[in-house]
Amino acid sequence: DAGVTQSPTHLIKTRGQQVTLRCSPKSGHDTVSWYQQALGQGPQFIFQYYEEEERQRGNFPDRFSGHQFPNYSSELNVNALLLGDSALYLCASSAGINYGYTFGSGTRLTVV
Amino acid sequence: GESVGLHLPTLSVQEGDNSIINCAYSNSASDYFIWYKQESGKGPQFIIDIRSNMDKRQGQRVTVLLNKTVKHLSLQIAATQPGDSAVYFCAENRAGGFKTIFGAGTRLFVKA
Repeated sequence: DAGVTQSPTHLIKTRGQQVTLRCSPKSGHDTVSWYQQALGQGPQFIFQYYEEEERQRGNFPDRFSGHQFPNYSSELNVNALLLGDSALYLCASSAGINYGYTFGSGTRLTVV
Repeated sequence: GESVGLHLPTLSVQEGDNSIINCAYSNSASDYFIWYKQESGKGPQFIIDIRSNMDKRQGQRVTVLLNKTVKHLSLQIAATQPGDSAVYFCAENRAGGFKTIFGAGTRLFVKA
């Protein structure tokens, strides 16, 4: 049974560019959350998707947006990239509220 | 691989000893708590969870203790092995919310 799959694994972008990261949740999971993890820190919640809608959002600017598709897969889009957006972006899926997450291995984004 | 948590609190234990990792959580309204393990280059991995109506839960070689009075959570690992070396995060879900909030993490070193 495949877990959470994220693509790409690594990405280098220039300031001001836009990026799209992709996530396929674990089979049977309908809820997808995105996290940003800076080096040396815990993951920071970006937003959560359920039934193709953003259900809750963390303290991230509108440059961060997302989407969930009918097959539960999800995308994270970041516009007008800043150097400070360089981080590991983690996708996590779960079977509902108050269930533990299954995380993907993340996408390492470097903005230069 | 990537290095996670260069300046995290660190716990160093001898192989075979028991490890105790502590965490203070922030919100008395949190009702679900989880411990995650993150190895270098990987996403966090679910270890064990506990709901607020319990004060102790045991898994294979791991025990989580919850003290709601002082908002404290601990993870005990029995007979620590080299493969337990990783960064450990406690996380909390707040009642009525959807997001999981992560702590800063503790790096566990296991000496052979």
